[in-house]
Amino acid sequence: AAGVIQSPRHLIKEKRETATLKCYPIPRHDTVYWYQQGPGQDPQFLISFYEKMQSDKGSIPDRFSAQQFSDYHSELNMSSLELGDSALYFCASSISKEGGNTIYFGEGSWLTVV
Amino acid sequence: AQSVAQPEDQVNVAEGNPLTVKCTYSVSGNPYLFWYVQYPNRGLQFLLKYITGDNLVKGSYGFEAEFNKSQTSFHLKKPSALVSDSALYFCAVRDMDSWGKLQFGAGTQVVVTP
Repeated sequence: AAGVIQSPRHLIKEKRETATLKCYPIPRHDTVYWYQQGPGQDPQFLISFYEKMQSDKGSIPDRFSAQQFSDYHSELNMSSLELGDSALYFCASSISKEGGNTIYFGEGSWLTVV
Repeated sequence: AQSVAQPEDQVNVAEGNPLTVKCTYSVSGNPYLFWYVQYPNRGLQFLLKYITGDNLVKGSYGFEAEFNKSQTSFHLKKPSALVSDSALYFCAVRDMDSWGKLQFGAGTQVVVTP
């Protein structure tokens, strides 16, 4: 079965640089979520989109932005990178916002800021 | 606001013995509860969920979870643990007041010894 696809899987950036992460949700899933997981921590919600519109916003820094495109893929743009942005970034998707629907996660994108 | 708590940072169990990972929740309205597993440097894999109905939910890889409304618990169980079950386990609740994002517990590291 098709899963959530994230790219790149790993990237290394220097401080103050910009990074873009891409996410391709499971086909026919209309909701996308972005999470950040620091070392030894639980995933923290950043932002979500429903039918290409931002639906919720969590602890996402102002330096970060995201959008969902007409084909439902999503991109997380991170600028002025800081050492503390080093983390595993997850994208997840689900069918609508019905509580019983499962949210499926991608393998994540490892960002290292040096 | 919805939240879950995992009281144990780590659970140690010998292979072949029963495994239990504890989770308690606090929600307003109907609870939509999930368990995910994370292997080292990997994404979050869905194990099982409780929406409604039977209090005992069966999931992937022989795992099951028992929903207890009076104790507001949703403990994950496996009758006979395998070394390959060693991983990080997250309990999560869908926050339907916030477009269905998942709120995770802190995670419990399971170590199964041969």
